[in-house]
Amino acid sequence: EIVLTQSPGTLSLSPGQRATLSCRASQSITGNFLAWYQQKLGQPPRLLIYGATDRASGIPDRFSGSGSGTDFTLTITRLEPEDFAVYYCLQYGSSLYTFGQGTKLEIK
Amino acid sequence: QVQLQESGPRLVKPSETLSLTCTVSGGSLSNYYWSWIRQPAGKGLEWIGRIYASGNTNYNPSLNSRVTMSVDTSKKQFSLKLKSVTAADTAVYYCARGVLDYWGQGILVTVSS
Repeated sequence: EIVLTQSPGTLSLSPGQRATLSCRASQSITGNFLAWYQQKLGQPPRLLIYGATDRASGIPDRFSGSGSGTDFTLTITRLEPEDFAVYYCLQYGSSLYTFGQGTKLEIK
Repeated sequence: QVQLQESGPRLVKPSETLSLTCTVSGGSLSNYYWSWIRQPAGKGLEWIGRIYASGNTNYNPSLNSRVTMSVDTSKKQFSLKLKSVTAADTAVYYCARGVLDYWGQGILVTVSS
């Protein structure tokens, strides 16, 4: 099983600032099959990034993904008020998908 | 636009079997994996398993012995059965497509007598 560790657990920033979220895998992820999701209270997660770097349909370009192998990053430039939420990474490179534990992005 | 909708009993007694169905509209079940994910209140996401339109399945080893998934392509539905439930299985259960690009709204299932 691939274990994903997200950091930090909580990130406190202000609107307009840049957010950098990390997802580290216990072993290399095949094909860089790593996705990022945003979840707001009472809603299902929303796909932001797949294949480590590809933005999903309708996702603003202030969201970007980078990384390969075991280290991946989600960057949000110029935070908007609606970006404050919980973010999860998911690896789907094996037949057993696993999620990270989440990073809460909160308003400072 | 693909839409998914979970349905099933919202209250299940301990030791019984949780049964949920996900109905897909706006698209075909073909050529995709279809997953179940759950989330206990205030906690993170746990992937339960997936099923392909052909019926091939992969389950999370932590639940493997209790989980069964099935698919009915004619009804555009896939289903989850989780047996011998306990209070620890209380969660919002989601169904989702492929790389989890489309999700249902989720259904809260409570295990209680």
